[in-house]
Amino acid sequence: LAKTTQPISMDSYEGQEVNITCSHNNIATNDYITWYQQFPSQGPRFIIQGYKTKVTNEVASLFIPADRKSSTLSLPRVSLSDTAVYYCLVGTPKGGYNKLIFGAGTRLAVHP
Amino acid sequence: GAGVSQTPSNKVTEKGKYVELRCDPISGHTALYWYRQSLGQGPEFLIYFQGTGAADDSGLPNDRFFAVRPEGSVSTLKIQRTERGDSAVYLCASSPGTSGREQYFGPGTRLTVT
Repeated sequence: LAKTTQPISMDSYEGQEVNITCSHNNIATNDYITWYQQFPSQGPRFIIQGYKTKVTNEVASLFIPADRKSSTLSLPRVSLSDTAVYYCLVGTPKGGYNKLIFGAGTRLAVHP
Repeated sequence: GAGVSQTPSNKVTEKGKYVELRCDPISGHTALYWYRQSLGQGPEFLIYFQGTGAADDSGLPNDRFFAVRPEGSVSTLKIQRTERGDSAVYLCASSPGTSGREQYFGPGTRLTVT
């Protein structure tokens, strides 16, 4: 599975837009890009997934350039409750399932 | 609806003891996964079940670790002769069908080996 690189930590303030960029230079043709969010003392939670261009849901947007070697998770107007660790993963269902390979993630701290 | 549940939420045991950790997946989910998370790290894959069978156990660190899912629903992760290095949060996840692109995680069991 492709290795990902993302910032160790980020700081923001309430109401701001936060963009977390993930590098995945060795992404394979069949790989998807997936982001998970994890709050303290909880398991990770799926946020968004995409293959190319832009994906938007009620929580976030995911921007993927044409070469797919990076992706950006965009969180609009963050609040204190968005303080969490965000993981970028790339991979493809293999043998009918997706073994998730997590890195260390990005620790986002939202300040008042 | 009910999410993935794990019991106990916390487990403290002495080095050398045997422990069992339980996972109740979301009803109807055929795929079940176990992960282990150490402090400050992302979750690490341990084992994957499709139905009753372990389809991939490549992440189990050694033969002290074993997991079962006898009826294709509840799963138990078993650790024999626990070591202090086994201390971590053990996470369970489930997903519907054969594509695990979106996995639903439980809150985890925090295991402390003293």
